[in-house]
Amino acid sequence: DQQVKQNSPSLSVQEGRISILNCDYTNSMFDYFLWYKKYPAEGPTFLISISSIKDKNEDGRFTVFLNKSAKHLSLHIVPSQPGDSAVYFCAARATGFQKLVFGTGTRLLVSP
Amino acid sequence: KAGVTQTPRYLIKTRGQQVTLSCSPISGHRSVSWYQQTPGQGLQFLFEYFSETQRNKGNFPGRFSGRQFSNSRSEMNVSTLELGDSALYLCASSLGSGRGNTEAFFGQGTRLTVV
Repeated sequence: DQQVKQNSPSLSVQEGRISILNCDYTNSMFDYFLWYKKYPAEGPTFLISISSIKDKNEDGRFTVFLNKSAKHLSLHIVPSQPGDSAVYFCAARATGFQKLVFGTGTRLLVSP
Repeated sequence: KAGVTQTPRYLIKTRGQQVTLSCSPISGHRSVSWYQQTPGQGLQFLFEYFSETQRNKGNFPGRFSGRQFSNSRSEMNVSTLELGDSALYLCASSLGSGRGNTEAFFGQGTRLTVV
């Protein structure tokens, strides 16, 4: 039972354009969401998070949008840079729990 | 401020052996969680420790165990290793206290290969 889904295994964009990575979840108990960037054989690097009391959070080039009614969140990267090329995971957590439930990841390739 | 430190980075073990992995969280963080990453199953939660107590456990067999020390450092042990235990094992550190949501920061991981 995949409670957090990233339906696009890969995404290719050109440098300078916007990258939009999507994530859907099924468990209505999730109320905190995080995005991580990961390179092979390394640990995930935290990028940005959002609480369910918000619908948007920005940090520099990264913006996360949350649509609770649709149980959908997205990560926007603007402008995209070649160094952003990596696998991006969304993760969800329920109140009071530290356990993160991860999606399967989306591989982003930003070409010059 | 130092990040999450996992040792060793790489490990090769034989089937049937046991292994212990170590994780030192960020200073001041009291919650340590462990995850297993494999190509087929993705990132899966193993267990979480807070103040030396296991608070939450994932769906892994009893061969996987852990503990946390008074300085918040944590160890994970896998006994009777199987080929399928080959994976990247990740440790995450967070404040973990109260009902407020906080970010979790990961270490570099330990790559375990069972032959």
